[in-house]
Amino acid sequence: GAVVSQHPSRVICKSGTSVKIECRSLDFQATTMFWYRQFPKKSLMLMATSNEGSKATYEQGVEKDKFLINHASLTLSTLTVTSAHPEDSSFYICSAREAGGEKLFFGSGTQLSVL
Amino acid sequence: GESVGLHLPTLSVQEGDNSIINCAYSNSASDYFIWYKQESGKGPQFIIDIRSNMDKRQGQRVTVLLNKTVKHLSLQIAATQPGDSAVYFCAENLSSGSARQLTFGSGTQLTVLP
Repeated sequence: GAVVSQHPSRVICKSGTSVKIECRSLDFQATTMFWYRQFPKKSLMLMATSNEGSKATYEQGVEKDKFLINHASLTLSTLTVTSAHPEDSSFYICSAREAGGEKLFFGSGTQLSVL
Repeated sequence: GESVGLHLPTLSVQEGDNSIINCAYSNSASDYFIWYKQESGKGPQFIIDIRSNMDKRQGQRVTVLLNKTVKHLSLQIAATQPGDSAVYFCAENLSSGSARQLTFGSGTQLTVLP
């Protein structure tokens, strides 16, 4: 099946710094990528939908200036958590969908810990 | 469906027994459903999917049943193995214009007992 690579898998940063998470589709072109946030023992919460070459669509309650999303190519989307604070600590997951496809393929997730 | 924020229900089964994991979805217009398995610290892994024009689909050791009348989805795992221990999420996919959005259920923690 299709492979989505997410990097880094774990990051620890100081409060006030910014962190970038990368999501790459390795063997297909992803016209749409999604970013999720997941708290321990909870479900995935969609944060934003990222379409290649256009601005991301953010879900209600998600600050677009806080969570910057860039989808500059058909194989790469990035999520930057700006001026991170301890409450931003969470598991972040990306997924990707091929053009015309229905299945979503997920990255392995990034555990962000803000001290 | 709309279950974000709820704590995970749990299911414990004996190794070798069959497991049945249930899910209620919220939108009667959803036309595609997927089951995912998520192991601790990893991203969700696709298990099986089903379209709304079907009521049953079988894979290797897994069967998904769809009851559109009551908006219910179930995942059956035959001869459950220790490696099946994980959180299982159902997801509904809804077409709305040009957008297709996936909404996840709350998930079920499956524990396989030796």
